[in-house]
Amino acid sequence: KNEVEQSPQNLTAQEGEFITINCSYSVGISALHWLQQHPGGGIVSLFMLSSGKKKHGRLIATINIQEKHSSLHITASHPRDSAVYICAVRSPQGGSEKLVFGKGTKLTVNP
Amino acid sequence: NAGVMQNPRHLVRRRGQEARLRCSPMKGHSHVYWYRQLPEEGLKFMVYLQKENIIDESGMPKERFSAEFPKEGPSILRIQQVVRGDSAAYFCASSPDWAYNEQFFGPGTRLTVL
Repeated sequence: KNEVEQSPQNLTAQEGEFITINCSYSVGISALHWLQQHPGGGIVSLFMLSSGKKKHGRLIATINIQEKHSSLHITASHPRDSAVYICAVRSPQGGSEKLVFGKGTKLTVNP
Repeated sequence: NAGVMQNPRHLVRRRGQEARLRCSPMKGHSHVYWYRQLPEEGLKFMVYLQKENIIDESGMPKERFSAEFPKEGPSILRIQQVVRGDSAAYFCASSPDWAYNEQFFGPGTRLTVL
């Protein structure tokens, strides 16, 4: 079982829909990251959070430390939001903290 | 302030050749991380370096792979005697002087081994 599980693996939505991507993890963490990987391959860091909720524009990220779960929400989705969204946890292992990644959720937003 | 730079963006090597991938962190960043993304798989941690020091190389394959981050110049990920299974996208990220902060990713180097 992977230490970081994302669901769904693939998600197709119509423009304007509200989108939720989920991330569950099984290890102790100091922080959780949400990343966006565009079709061209570049990776952009969206959020880093260790508790509560963060909002940036149409994106909202929440984390529940007790339940080891995080969600990424996109309001009023747009075709330009089409990308792979990756959850990564910072986990102390082997003497240093390293990022452990989920396999990503591929989002397609149709006009 | 330029972002994290990686070069080359695309690299083609034949089996048995050496591959050198370069990463220049953001200005003021002294922590560098290398990750590998195999086709159809998620990102995997390889190595964490600070200037002139390898902090954690627990994700590096035991043979053929090495990394350095010299006092001057970019961080280098070196793969000797490449095999087809090394074909992947290699990303580096950097973070500021204080550890465990947000990481900024480079555009990646796509290595193809023929």
